[in-house]
Amino acid sequence: AQTVTQSQPEMSVQEAETVTLSCTYDTSESDYYLFWYKQPPSRQMILVIRQEAYKQQNATENRFSVNFQKAAKSFSLKISDSQLGDAAMYFCAYRSAQGAQKLVFGQGTRLTINP
Amino acid sequence: DTGVSQDPRHKITKRGQNVTFRCDPISEHNRLYWYRQTLGQGPEFLTYFQNEAQLEKSRLLSDRFSAERPKGSFSTLEIQRTEQGDSAMYLCASSFWTLNTGELFFGEGSRLTVL
Repeated sequence: AQTVTQSQPEMSVQEAETVTLSCTYDTSESDYYLFWYKQPPSRQMILVIRQEAYKQQNATENRFSVNFQKAAKSFSLKISDSQLGDAAMYFCAYRSAQGAQKLVFGQGTRLTINP
Repeated sequence: DTGVSQDPRHKITKRGQNVTFRCDPISEHNRLYWYRQTLGQGPEFLTYFQNEAQLEKSRLLSDRFSAERPKGSFSTLEIQRTEQGDSAMYLCASSFWTLNTGELFFGEGSRLTVL
């Protein structure tokens, strides 16, 4: 079974600075997808960024980018120019390319933005 | 609003009572997922439907839990004889399954408190 581990329960960053959230995963599959989801307090989870395992190029979405290291099974999220609205729980998630395609989530990292 | 909607948003019940949650997915989405999230943890997969067929159930889904998706539209999750350990946020997500990424869209969740 696949597992996802986020070793940083909490992180904080000064507004306008850069922060990196860590994620590692374990799988024997070669074809899969990785995601970062953001869950603001009392609001629904929304997709931040997605990475296909077969792509070597790291995904970027505006201020959000990932460092995908397939051999190391590492998938970190970098948030540049942090904004107050970035404060939330961030979840790393794995999804197989086959079968149910259900998401397997990590434990989450609570990100605080200091003004 | 055309997102995933869940009802009720909050439910407080006494141990031993039955509760039912409803999820209305995005209309064209053919896959519907239920997750459970306890405080400070990532969501855990419970079950999913493709159209009206329930294709997979987690071992977390004890025989007190039942889910349905009649006619492949909305879904209900019923918990019978609730226990305090059932207290959690129950999240619904939907997607339009394709051979590609099939992003999951989440609702705001239904929070259950069992006294």
